[in-house]
Amino acid sequence: SQQGEEDPQALSIQEGENATMNCSYKTSINNLQWYRQNSGRGLVHLILIRSNEREKHSGRLRVTLDTSKKSSSLLITASRAADTASYFCAPGDTGRRALTFGSGTRLQVQP
Amino acid sequence: DAGVIQSPRHEVTEMGQEVTLRCKPISGHNSLFWYRQTMMRGLELLIYFNNNVPIDDSGMPEDRFSAKMPNASFSTLKIQPSEPRDSAVYFCASRLDRGNSPLHFGNGTRLTVT
Repeated sequence: SQQGEEDPQALSIQEGENATMNCSYKTSINNLQWYRQNSGRGLVHLILIRSNEREKHSGRLRVTLDTSKKSSSLLITASRAADTASYFCAPGDTGRRALTFGSGTRLQVQP
Repeated sequence: DAGVIQSPRHEVTEMGQEVTLRCKPISGHNSLFWYRQTMMRGLELLIYFNNNVPIDDSGMPEDRFSAKMPNASFSTLKIQPSEPRDSAVYFCASRLDRGNSPLHFGNGTRLTVT
């Protein structure tokens, strides 16, 4: 199973600003998932985008997927201090159940 | 839904001791995964089970590590003997193996081997 690589490694913004994180992967996928990890906790699933979708929204989250460039982005609009966490992408291969994760993007939202 | 339950939350042990980490997946989930997270190596997949059967253990670092899933509601990860470099947070996750269902993680066991 391939893992995604998140960029940037760390991001610091002010409350109310938008945060954009990127993910790149290497081979074809069936779907791509984004997860959040708060300090001292397990990962929490945020959103899944299928390979035939280009954009998906969920509340303040917007995910895009460009399969030609093998990349995805996660946009958090109007960020809040509670959005401070690490964010991971996980490309889903067809036929394999396990997900592997990169190093994540550490987002710090300053109040 | 109680979520994935891991125990203990923290474990401190001395080098050479046996350590057993426990996981109760979400009821009805048929796939279970063990991950290890460190600052140096990030989040590594150790092993996963499907319908209680180990499918891929290629991530298990050494023979000192073993994992079992005796039934659908319980899994253990054992380290014997433990070493300081095993210090990490160990996560268990489960999912229903259908379609694109997401992983559900427990809150981990923080292991410190002195």
